Amino acid sequence: QKEVEQDPGPLSVPEGAIVSLNCTYSNSAFQYFMWYRQYSRKGPELLMYTYSSGNKEDGRFTAQVDKSSKYISLFIRDSQPSDSATYLCRGLNTGFQKLVFGTGTRLLVSP
Amino acid sequence: SQTIHQWPATLVQPVGSPLSLECTVEGTSNPNLYWYRQAAGRGLQLLFYSVGIGQISSEVPQNLSASRPQDRQFILSSKKLLLSDSGFYLCAWSARGRNEQFFGPGTRLTVL
Repeated sequence: QKEVEQDPGPLSVPEGAIVSLNCTYSNSAFQYFMWYRQYSRKGPELLMYTYSSGNKEDGRFTAQVDKSSKYISLFIRDSQPSDSATYLCRGLNTGFQKLVFGTGTRLLVSP
Repeated sequence: SQTIHQWPATLVQPVGSPLSLECTVEGTSNPNLYWYRQAAGRGLQLLFYSVGIGQISSEVPQNLSASRPQDRQFILSSKKLLLSDSGFYLCAWSARGRNEQFFGPGTRLTVL
């Protein structure tokens, strides 16, 4: 079983929709969770960084962690065509980490 | 501010040829450095990481190698490329004691 799993998509939504991107993980020791956004042919960029359970909001983006169910989510409000990208989730423990990434979910927002 | 550079941006090489990809980081000292490969339709695969000059840890046995000759320079090499080495190679850095990793623009390698 992979430590972090994501549906590869693509997830297609119209502009203005609320998008929900999800990951499940198996390692109960994960405490930190991140979302990266990767545009085509570009390196991933860090989008959201959360610790333990709860929500974190940054503009149109909200990251949610439910450690009891080992489920992490990224919500995008008022989605824009510029949000079209692949979104990668990541979990890790404390200390120096080899990263464990999900394979990414491709999001397509149509105008 | 910190920046990370990779070159070349794209590379087409024949099977059996050598490889050298370079990554440099500016604006920080003693970073942790990483090489990833992203194959088409697959996730990020960690290849090597380094916590200091000359210190390299390999995650995946293969015909690739990495070196860190300077604090902010990380090099990915191969003596003889295989078709399966094609992919998108990403260098990343993180500050000591921090979890966030920051990625370079990547090198797209095609082995023919």
